[in-house]
Amino acid sequence: DQQVKQNSPSLSVQEGRISILNCDYTNSMFDYFLWYKKYPAEGPTFLISISSIKDKNEDGRFTVFLNKSAKHLSLHIVPSQPGDSAVYFCAASEGDRDDKIIFGKGTRLHILP
Amino acid sequence: GAVVSQHPSRVICKSGTSVKIECRSLDFQATTMFWYRQFPKKSLMLMATSNEGSKATYEQGVEKDKFLINHASLTLSTLTVTSAHPEDSSFYICSAYALSLSYNSPLHFGNGTRLTVT
Repeated sequence: DQQVKQNSPSLSVQEGRISILNCDYTNSMFDYFLWYKKYPAEGPTFLISISSIKDKNEDGRFTVFLNKSAKHLSLHIVPSQPGDSAVYFCAASEGDRDDKIIFGKGTRLHILP
Repeated sequence: GAVVSQHPSRVICKSGTSVKIECRSLDFQATTMFWYRQFPKKSLMLMATSNEGSKATYEQGVEKDKFLINHASLTLSTLTVTSAHPEDSSFYICSAYALSLSYNSPLHFGNGTRLTVT
């Protein structure tokens, strides 16, 4: 039973355009959501997060939107740059269990020149 | 701050031998560390939760006797793959939990270890 789902295994976007990565979750108890970025042969690095009390969080080129009623969140990257090519993991945690973070399968983003 | 060092980054071993992977929190103490395995085209799979001074908690389907975890100090957890087989070849990643250091993300990841069993 996958609690965090990233249904697109890969995505290709032209440099300079907007990249939108989607994530759905099933556990209504999740109240904190995170995005991690991972390059090959490296560990994931934290990118941006959002608490369930918000519906938007912005950090530079990265914005995360949360739609609690739809149990859906998305990561927007604008403008997309070549260095954004990586695998992006959506993750979620529940209440006081923020030490146990559930990851999605990841979406590989290719930024095209 | 909040650096997690994982060593070695790559290791090749023969089938039947054992391999030890170290995960160190360099500038903070981590009472809890996690070990993940990444399969091709799949997510990070949590293998076990390592708690300092106590036995590790393994996820369902993970063989305790094969993947030995030791968390002897607040800055070091080790994963030993015993009697390795080619199907154990994978990318193993550790993370350390340190809520006090970062409001945004309590997990800090190592750079991973590529294990190849021949």
